[in-house]
Amino acid sequence: EAGVTQFPSHSVIEKGQTVTLRCDPISGHDNLYWYRRVMGKEIKFLLHFVKESKQDESGMPNNRFLAERTGGTYSTLKVQPAELEDSGVYFCANRPGKEVKNIQYFGAGTRLSVL
Amino acid sequence: SQQGEEDPQALSIQEGENATMNCSYKTSINNLQWYRQNSGRGLVHLILIRSNEREKHSGRLRVTLDTSKKSSSLLITASRAADTASYFCATDVIENAGGTSYGKLTFGQGTILTVHP
Repeated sequence: EAGVTQFPSHSVIEKGQTVTLRCDPISGHDNLYWYRRVMGKEIKFLLHFVKESKQDESGMPNNRFLAERTGGTYSTLKVQPAELEDSGVYFCANRPGKEVKNIQYFGAGTRLSVL
Repeated sequence: SQQGEEDPQALSIQEGENATMNCSYKTSINNLQWYRQNSGRGLVHLILIRSNEREKHSGRLRVTLDTSKKSSSLLITASRAADTASYFCATDVIENAGGTSYGKLTFGQGTILTVHP
């Protein structure tokens, strides 16, 4: 079974540009989460999809961030326009829909550098 | 302090020694998990302890949970160089009066463990 795949692994952009991160989840895992780790700080929750619906987006920093999950499959996280403080590692995580234990499977992350 | 705060922030030991990492949290939880991250890789789940459990073992891992103190510890016995990684505790927070958790994990800053051969 393939794991969680994130693209790209590293993105370097200029302030003001747009970047789109992608997460390909484990097949059949209804729950998809985005997290972010800013340098030197803790990993923070951004949002949670159940299939194609946003269950919780309370962690999204501001309206420059837009997440989608078309058809309940892969998800994208767009940052437009990017600011310096958006730099960090963005993780995607999945878990099955009906599992009681909340064990999440993480991708390797996308390291975003905004210059 | 942050939910899921851990100490120490960095730990350096020799192979064969035991490594102990601690985690504190603030809110009521359903369970607490420990994850490991090797450099450049994703987080990997190690062990989960439920809020009604006090201790759990898995191989060389031993986790304790003290809900009265809102703290947990992870002990790795007989450490190996391959255990070198960052370790994070993560809490599964109860989000309503019905005790429901929607799966949002709250992490600490992590402990960087270095095991020297």
